[in-house]
Formats: sequence, structure tokens, C-alpha cells
Amino acid sequence: AQSVSQHNHHVILSEAASLELGCNYSYGGTVNLFWYVQYPGQHLQLLLKYFSGDPLVKGIKGFEAEFIKSKFSFNLRKPSVQWSDTAEYFCAVNTGGFKTIFGAGTRLFVKA
Amino acid sequence: NAGVTQTPKFQVLKTGQSMTLQCAQDMNHNSMYWYRQDPGMGLRLIYYSASEGTTDKGEVPNGYNVSRLNKREFSLRLESAAPSQTSVYFCASSEDKTYNSPLHFGNGTRLTVT
Repeated sequence: AQSVSQHNHHVILSEAASLELGCNYSYGGTVNLFWYVQYPGQHLQLLLKYFSGDPLVKGIKGFEAEFIKSKFSFNLRKPSVQWSDTAEYFCAVNTGGFKTIFGAGTRLFVKA
Repeated sequence: NAGVTQTPKFQVLKTGQSMTLQCAQDMNHNSMYWYRQDPGMGLRLIYYSASEGTTDKGEVPNGYNVSRLNKREFSLRLESAAPSQTSVYFCASSEDKTYNSPLHFGNGTRLTVT
């Protein structure tokens, strides 16, 4: 069965620090990849997605992610985090159809 | 634009009680989903409805039933609640297959079963 692994469950950073959240998936075929974010008290919303083309995708609020097919990875990055980036981040994979598989999530806390 | 609306926001049940979680979307999306979110486990798909009139099991369907009442509404029913069903439940919709279109989520229902 397909699975998604997020390496860090909790990350604490100071403002202006750089962020990289790891995500690996287990599936050998074509995938579409997503990062969703859940701010405190809010619903999940799409941060960015990769369907095809340029493996470096840019999303909202300065986030970007790089798809490395050979490593089955889709890591999320941001050069300089802000206090308002405090949230839980979910990597998700879809291998076709209607079933999107989510990772366990990474809770990011940014110290002001 | 309300997006995906879920009711109720909070619910406490005793073991064995039943309840229905309601979900409606106003984006004219074809597909709707119910996920549960548990600490350390991310979101797991319970059931989904690819289009009006169809429903299919997801990863964790046991103990749940669903109804796609019309294109807008997709309800989740717990017939006999168990403590293992304590969770946060999210309804979501997508324009088409989530392979091609992202999910739009509601604000969630926090359910506690005692």
C-alpha cells in the first residue's frame, strides 16, 4: 500500500530561520503531490501542488517544494519563516483516482 | 463564499449512541470526502463520493455509513459510537478526482465518545 512519511513531527524555529520539512512516499509509478497547511483553529488548505513539469513548485506565502523522483521525495522549503507560519503541515500523495494519502503531519512552531 | 460547511462543530456521545455529521459544499464540486484526523496519524479517508449517487469505502470505513443526499450534501453516520471513534472529522470536496484537483476542507467536527 502507498504511504507517506514525514520525517519531523515537531519543529521549532526562530523567526527568519530557514525551513525544510521532509516528505517521502512509497509508490513507483506516477504521482501527484500536495502540501496542505492547517493554521491553529482553521481548516486544512492547499499550500502547493505538483502535477507535472518543473519539479520545483512555488506556493502561497513564499513556500516552495522540490519533487525528486529518484528519491521519492517532495520536501517543503521556505527561506525565512515568520511567526505566522506556525501551523501543522501535511504532505499528501495521489497515485490516481480519488484517494489522497496523507502523512502524519509536522507541527511547526515559530518563535517570535 | 462559504465553501465547505460542517455541522456540528463539537459533539460528545456516549458509547452506543448514534449521530449524523452533516456536510454541504457550495462550489458545485462533483466529489466529496470524509476524513478523520488523529494525532500522529494524519488524515485517513473514511468514505468518499466520486459523484452524486455513488459512494465508496476509503481506508477506515468500519463503523461508519454515508449518504450523498444530492450534489451539495454528503453526510456521515455513526450507528453505534465507540471510544475508538473519538477524533476530528473533516469533510472535503474536490472538483474532480483528487489526482487532478486539490481538496477543499471544512472546519471539522470534534467528536468525543465516552
